[in-house]
Amino acid sequence: GQSLEQPSEVTAVEGAIVQINCTYQTSGFYGLSWYQQHDGGAPTFLSYNALDGLEETGRFSSFLSRSDSYGYLLLQELQMKDSASYFCAVRGATNKLIFGTGTLLAVQP
Amino acid sequence: EAGVAQSPRYKIIEKRQSVAFWCNPISGHATLYWYQQILGQGPKLLIQFQNNGVVDDSQLPKDRFSAERLKGVDSTLKIQPAKLEDSAVYLCASSLEGGGYDTGELFFGEGSRLTVL
Repeated sequence: GQSLEQPSEVTAVEGAIVQINCTYQTSGFYGLSWYQQHDGGAPTFLSYNALDGLEETGRFSSFLSRSDSYGYLLLQELQMKDSASYFCAVRGATNKLIFGTGTLLAVQP
Repeated sequence: EAGVAQSPRYKIIEKRQSVAFWCNPISGHATLYWYQQILGQGPKLLIQFQNNGVVDDSQLPKDRFSAERLKGVDSTLKIQPAKLEDSAVYLCASSLEGGGYDTGELFFGEGSRLTVL
């Protein structure tokens, strides 16, 4: 089967850096994606890693280690608007995009 | 560019009634997905279409859920009869190709929130 684990909640202050980890177990692997979802809103795509290493997009970076079945999302210079749920999602051999249970990030002033 | 359109945004029904949700994907997107998101959980894939063919429906409760994608564009998801545990947000998403291979990017609609009483 396929499973993804993420912390359920993370709290940080404005201007800080926060890292959200994701470990996965899949039969086959194409890549790891990250999505942001504000309360009541649609999930929006943040990043995608198909190969090992760090991908940077503005304040957000995402890392993947295929050998460790592990990735993380790094958010820098946190802003209040970053308060949301963050989901990692894996595409495995079945070609389905499987989402984790999500990490609720609370940014405090 | 217009996004993924879904309707209705909200629906309240009694258990054992039926309900249908509609989705219009982004123009030119070959792949369409229906996800179920229960409060506090991640989206769960119900069915994936490639053009108008079903790629995966292994997690679709086929005794009560059905979905179709006519002419490879719009799609409808139907629940009949509804159960209390079907209360959730039903998200439609689309991608250019199967599974968003190049970028892993799916474009989601705002969702249809179903409450079953």
